[in-house]
Amino acid sequence: KAGVTQTPRYLIKTRGQQVTLSCSPISGHRSVSWYQQTPGQGLQFLFEYFSETQRNKGNFPGRFSGRQFSNSRSEMNVSTLELGDSALYLCASSAWGQDTYEQYFGPGTRLTVT
Amino acid sequence: LAKTTQPISMDSYEGQEVNITCSHNNIATNDYITWYQQFPSQGPRFIIQGYKTKVTNEVASLFIPADRKSSTLSLPRVSLSDTAVYYCLVGDTYTGGFKTIFGAGTRLFVKA
Repeated sequence: KAGVTQTPRYLIKTRGQQVTLSCSPISGHRSVSWYQQTPGQGLQFLFEYFSETQRNKGNFPGRFSGRQFSNSRSEMNVSTLELGDSALYLCASSAWGQDTYEQYFGPGTRLTVT
Repeated sequence: LAKTTQPISMDSYEGQEVNITCSHNNIATNDYITWYQQFPSQGPRFIIQGYKTKVTNEVASLFIPADRKSSTLSLPRVSLSDTAVYYCLVGDTYTGGFKTIFGAGTRLFVKA
């Protein structure tokens, strides 16, 4: 079974621009979560989507948004990029509710804002 | 959401058993305890999850005392490839989905 895939793997953007990151979960997984990882703040939860609905949300500004499609693929968008948004963005999928509550993480997208 | 406290780092030698303890004094009744492993530039990988007493799988054991205010991840006979950051998480993913809070983790360094 293919793992979680994220595209692109690396991205360089300029302050003020916006960016869209994509995540394809493991086949059959309906829960997709997004995390931001930085050396200073560690791994921080952004939001979780389940069956196209945002089910949980972390403490991030409204510039961070996401959505999930009917095939469970998910995108997250960051508008008006700031230097502090430079981070590794991780996506995780889970079968949730099907007798398993493990999250499977993708390799991440490394975003650099200049 | 219960906050977790772990040692920042630990050193060990190949072949030794490593025990990493996590403190979670405010754990709620519905919370489960989950441990993840992360290598540099990779996403975390699930290791083990438990609610109470002891859980064992092919990779590790998880010991949870009766009061559930702490838990200990036990890695038998570590190797150099076990050098990684280990995260302890506490949360109720069985009702409201994931709102996972990762702490700072424990950086384990295994030496030859």
